[in-house]
Amino acid sequence: GQQLNQSPQSMFIQEGEDVSMNCTSSSIFNTWLWYKQDPGEGPVLLIALYKAGELTSNGRLTAQFGITRKDSFLNISASIPSDVGIYFCAGLTFGNEKLTFGTGTRLTIIP
Amino acid sequence: GAGVSQTPSNKVTEKGKYVELRCDPISGHTALYWYRQSLGQGPEFLIYFQGTGAADDSGLPNDRFFAVRPEGSVSTLKIQRTERGDSAVYLCASSTSGGRGYTFGSGTRLTVV
Repeated sequence: GQQLNQSPQSMFIQEGEDVSMNCTSSSIFNTWLWYKQDPGEGPVLLIALYKAGELTSNGRLTAQFGITRKDSFLNISASIPSDVGIYFCAGLTFGNEKLTFGTGTRLTIIP
Repeated sequence: GAGVSQTPSNKVTEKGKYVELRCDPISGHTALYWYRQSLGQGPEFLIYFQGTGAADDSGLPNDRFFAVRPEGSVSTLKIQRTERGDSAVYLCASSTSGGRGYTFGSGTRLTVV
Protein backbone atom coordinates (compact mmCIF):
# COMPACT_ATOMS: atom_id res chain seq x y z
CA GLY A 1 0.00 0.00 0.00
CA GLN A 2 0.94 3.67 -0.24
CA GLN A 3 3.33 5.04 2.36
CA LEU A 4 4.30 8.67 2.74
CA ASN A 5 7.96 9.61 2.32
CA GLN A 6 9.70 10.67 5.50
CA SER A 7 13.18 12.09 5.84
CA PRO A 8 15.61 11.57 7.23
CA GLN A 9 15.22 7.83 7.69
CA SER A 10 17.34 7.99 10.86
CA MET A 11 18.99 10.64 13.00
CA PHE A 12 21.82 10.44 15.52
CA ILE A 13 21.98 13.50 17.74
CA GLN A 14 23.31 14.61 21.09
CA GLU A 15 21.07 15.43 24.00
CA GLY A 16 20.00 19.06 23.90
CA GLU A 17 20.10 19.38 20.11
CA ASP A 18 17.11 20.42 18.05
CA VAL A 19 15.59 17.95 15.58
CA SER A 20 13.73 18.49 12.33
CA MET A 21 12.02 15.88 10.18
CA ASN A 22 9.56 16.07 7.33
CA CYS A 23 7.00 14.11 5.43
CA THR A 24 5.90 14.43 1.81
CA SER A 25 3.12 12.95 -0.26
CA SER A 26 2.06 12.86 -3.89
CA SER A 27 -1.55 13.17 -2.68
CA ILE A 28 -3.39 15.89 -0.80
CA PHE A 29 -4.45 15.22 2.78
CA ASN A 30 -6.94 17.16 4.89
CA THR A 31 -5.43 16.18 8.23
CA TRP A 32 -1.81 15.49 9.14
CA LEU A 33 -0.88 13.62 12.29
CA TRP A 34 2.45 12.94 13.95
CA TYR A 35 2.96 9.80 16.07
CA LYS A 36 5.80 8.41 18.17
CA GLN A 37 6.34 4.69 18.58
CA ASP A 38 8.47 3.08 21.27
CA PRO A 39 9.72 -0.53 20.95
CA GLY A 40 6.96 -3.06 21.58
CA GLU A 41 4.27 -0.40 21.74
CA GLY A 42 1.70 1.06 19.40
CA PRO A 43 2.02 4.58 17.97
CA VAL A 44 1.04 7.43 20.28
CA LEU A 45 -0.39 10.66 18.87
CA LEU A 46 1.81 13.74 19.40
CA ILE A 47 0.26 16.48 17.28
CA ALA A 48 -2.72 16.81 14.92
CA LEU A 49 -2.96 19.44 12.14
CA TYR A 50 -6.25 20.25 10.46
CA LYS A 51 -5.70 23.27 8.17
CA ALA A 52 -3.21 24.09 5.43
CA GLY A 53 -0.54 26.38 6.83
CA GLU A 54 -1.41 25.56 10.43
CA LEU A 55 1.44 25.64 12.93
CA THR A 56 0.82 23.80 16.20
CA SER A 57 2.98 23.27 19.29
CA ASN A 58 2.86 20.68 22.03
CA GLY A 59 5.55 21.45 24.59
CA ARG A 60 8.94 21.10 22.85
CA LEU A 61 7.26 19.79 19.69
CA THR A 62 6.15 22.00 16.82
CA ALA A 63 4.52 20.78 13.63
CA GLN A 64 3.28 22.51 10.49
CA PHE A 65 0.76 21.55 7.83
CA GLY A 66 2.18 22.50 4.43
CA ILE A 67 0.37 25.03 2.26
CA THR A 68 0.08 22.56 -0.61
CA ARG A 69 -1.44 20.01 1.80
CA LYS A 70 1.12 17.52 0.52
CA ASP A 71 3.71 17.90 3.24
CA SER A 72 4.31 18.45 6.94
CA PHE A 73 7.27 18.88 9.23
CA LEU A 74 7.94 18.16 12.89
CA ASN A 75 10.52 19.94 15.03
CA ILE A 76 11.70 18.87 18.47
CA SER A 77 13.62 21.41 20.50
CA ALA A 78 16.24 20.65 23.17
CA SER A 79 16.02 16.87 22.78
CA ILE A 80 16.02 14.66 25.90
CA PRO A 81 16.64 10.91 26.26
CA SER A 82 12.92 10.04 26.28
CA ASP A 83 12.60 11.50 22.77
CA VAL A 84 14.30 8.35 21.44
CA GLY A 85 11.99 6.32 19.24
CA ILE A 86 10.45 6.18 15.78
CA TYR A 87 8.38 9.11 14.56
CA PHE A 88 5.66 8.59 11.96
CA CYS A 89 3.62 11.07 10.02
CA ALA A 90 0.16 10.05 8.88
CA GLY A 91 -2.38 11.62 6.55
CA LEU A 92 -6.15 11.49 6.50
CA THR A 93 -8.62 12.63 3.84
CA PHE A 94 -12.21 13.76 4.33
CA GLY A 95 -14.75 10.99 4.33
CA ASN A 96 -12.04 8.39 4.72
CA GLU A 97 -11.30 6.77 8.07
CA LYS A 98 -8.02 5.10 7.18
CA LEU A 99 -4.67 6.65 7.99
CA THR A 100 -1.81 6.54 5.50
CA PHE A 101 1.44 6.38 7.42
CA GLY A 102 4.94 7.47 6.52
CA THR A 103 7.99 5.25 6.48
CA GLY A 104 9.24 6.60 9.81
CA THR A 105 12.21 8.52 11.19
CA ARG A 106 14.27 6.74 13.84
CA LEU A 107 15.73 9.13 16.43
CA THR A 108 18.73 8.04 18.48
CA ILE A 109 20.47 10.15 21.11
CA ILE A 110 24.21 9.66 21.37
CA PRO A 111 25.54 9.82 24.94
CA GLY B 1 -9.76 -1.23 30.72
CA ALA B 2 -8.11 2.13 30.21
CA GLY B 3 -6.48 1.32 26.89
CA VAL B 4 -6.80 -0.90 23.82
CA SER B 5 -5.87 -4.45 24.76
CA GLN B 6 -4.52 -6.96 22.25
CA THR B 7 -3.95 -10.64 22.86
CA PRO B 8 -1.75 -12.53 22.51
CA SER B 9 1.19 -10.14 22.54
CA ASN B 10 3.26 -12.68 20.64
CA LYS B 11 2.20 -15.59 18.45
CA VAL B 12 4.43 -18.09 16.69
CA THR B 13 2.71 -20.41 14.25
CA GLU B 14 3.65 -22.84 11.55
CA LYS B 15 3.11 -22.09 7.89
CA GLY B 16 -0.34 -23.21 6.81
CA LYS B 17 -1.95 -22.93 10.25
CA TYR B 18 -4.93 -20.77 11.22
CA VAL B 19 -4.57 -17.95 13.76
CA GLU B 20 -6.88 -15.57 15.57
CA LEU B 21 -5.80 -12.24 17.00
CA ARG B 22 -8.02 -10.47 19.52
CA CYS B 23 -8.62 -6.78 20.17
CA ASP B 24 -10.48 -5.28 23.15
CA PRO B 25 -11.15 -1.60 22.36
CA ILE B 26 -11.62 1.20 24.84
CA SER B 27 -15.08 0.96 26.34
CA GLY B 28 -17.57 3.07 24.42
CA HIS B 29 -15.43 3.47 21.31
CA THR B 30 -17.62 2.70 18.31
CA ALA B 31 -14.89 2.69 15.68
CA LEU B 32 -12.24 -0.05 15.54
CA TYR B 33 -9.34 -0.39 13.14
CA TRP B 34 -6.78 -3.07 12.26
CA TYR B 35 -3.37 -2.21 10.85
CA ARG B 36 -0.37 -4.33 9.93
CA GLN B 37 3.20 -3.16 10.50
CA SER B 38 6.06 -4.96 8.80
CA LEU B 39 9.61 -4.60 10.08
CA GLY B 40 11.00 -1.14 9.37
CA GLN B 41 7.74 0.17 7.92
CA GLY B 42 4.86 2.30 9.04
CA PRO B 43 1.50 0.70 9.85
CA GLU B 44 -0.70 -0.16 6.87
CA PHE B 45 -4.50 -0.13 7.02
CA LEU B 46 -6.36 -3.44 6.90
CA ILE B 47 -9.98 -2.91 7.96
CA TYR B 48 -12.27 -0.48 9.78
CA PHE B 49 -15.42 -1.27 11.77
CA GLN B 50 -18.14 1.18 12.73
CA GLY B 51 -20.19 -0.73 15.28
CA THR B 52 -20.61 -4.32 14.19
CA GLY B 53 -20.16 -3.80 10.48
CA ALA B 54 -16.99 -3.58 8.41
CA ALA B 55 -17.24 -0.10 6.91
CA ASP B 56 -14.03 -0.43 4.90
CA ASP B 57 -12.12 -3.67 4.32
CA SER B 58 -10.12 -2.45 1.34
CA GLY B 59 -6.79 -3.06 3.06
CA LEU B 60 -7.20 -6.80 3.59
CA PRO B 61 -4.51 -8.31 1.36
CA ASN B 62 -6.47 -11.38 0.22
CA ASP B 63 -9.28 -13.73 1.17
CA ARG B 64 -7.15 -15.53 3.76
CA PHE B 65 -7.71 -12.51 6.02
CA PHE B 66 -11.05 -11.92 7.73
CA ALA B 67 -12.16 -9.87 10.73
CA VAL B 68 -15.33 -9.80 12.81
CA ARG B 69 -16.83 -7.64 15.52
CA PRO B 70 -20.10 -9.41 16.31
CA GLU B 71 -21.27 -7.33 19.29
CA GLY B 72 -19.67 -4.01 18.38
CA SER B 73 -16.94 -4.30 20.96
CA VAL B 74 -14.27 -7.02 20.82
CA SER B 75 -12.87 -7.78 17.38
CA THR B 76 -11.02 -10.82 16.08
CA LEU B 77 -8.70 -10.82 13.09
CA LYS B 78 -8.54 -14.26 11.52
CA ILE B 79 -5.83 -15.46 9.17
CA GLN B 80 -6.19 -18.77 7.35
CA ARG B 81 -3.38 -20.85 5.82
CA THR B 82 -0.71 -18.53 7.19
CA GLU B 83 2.33 -17.74 5.06
CA ARG B 84 5.77 -16.53 6.11
CA GLY B 85 4.98 -13.17 4.51
CA ASP B 86 2.18 -12.68 7.04
CA SER B 87 4.79 -12.21 9.77
CA ALA B 88 4.33 -8.70 11.15
CA VAL B 89 2.96 -6.74 14.09
CA TYR B 90 -0.81 -6.48 13.90
CA LEU B 91 -2.06 -3.29 15.55
CA CYS B 92 -5.59 -2.52 16.65
CA ALA B 93 -6.92 0.96 17.37
CA SER B 94 -10.24 2.37 18.52
CA SER B 95 -11.85 5.80 18.57
CA THR B 96 -15.05 7.73 19.09
CA SER B 97 -14.33 10.50 16.64
CA GLY B 98 -12.80 8.88 13.62
CA GLY B 99 -9.20 8.93 12.48
CA ARG B 100 -8.17 11.93 14.53
CA GLY B 101 -8.91 10.29 17.87
CA TYR B 102 -7.23 6.92 17.45
CA THR B 103 -5.76 5.05 20.42
CA PHE B 104 -3.55 2.14 19.42
CA GLY B 105 -2.94 -1.08 21.30
CA SER B 106 0.54 -2.51 21.76
CA GLY B 107 0.01 -5.00 18.95
CA THR B 108 0.36 -8.72 18.40
CA ARG B 109 3.68 -9.83 16.92
CA LEU B 110 2.91 -12.72 14.57
CA THR B 111 5.76 -14.93 13.40
CA VAL B 112 5.08 -17.62 10.82
CA VAL B 113 7.81 -20.26 10.68
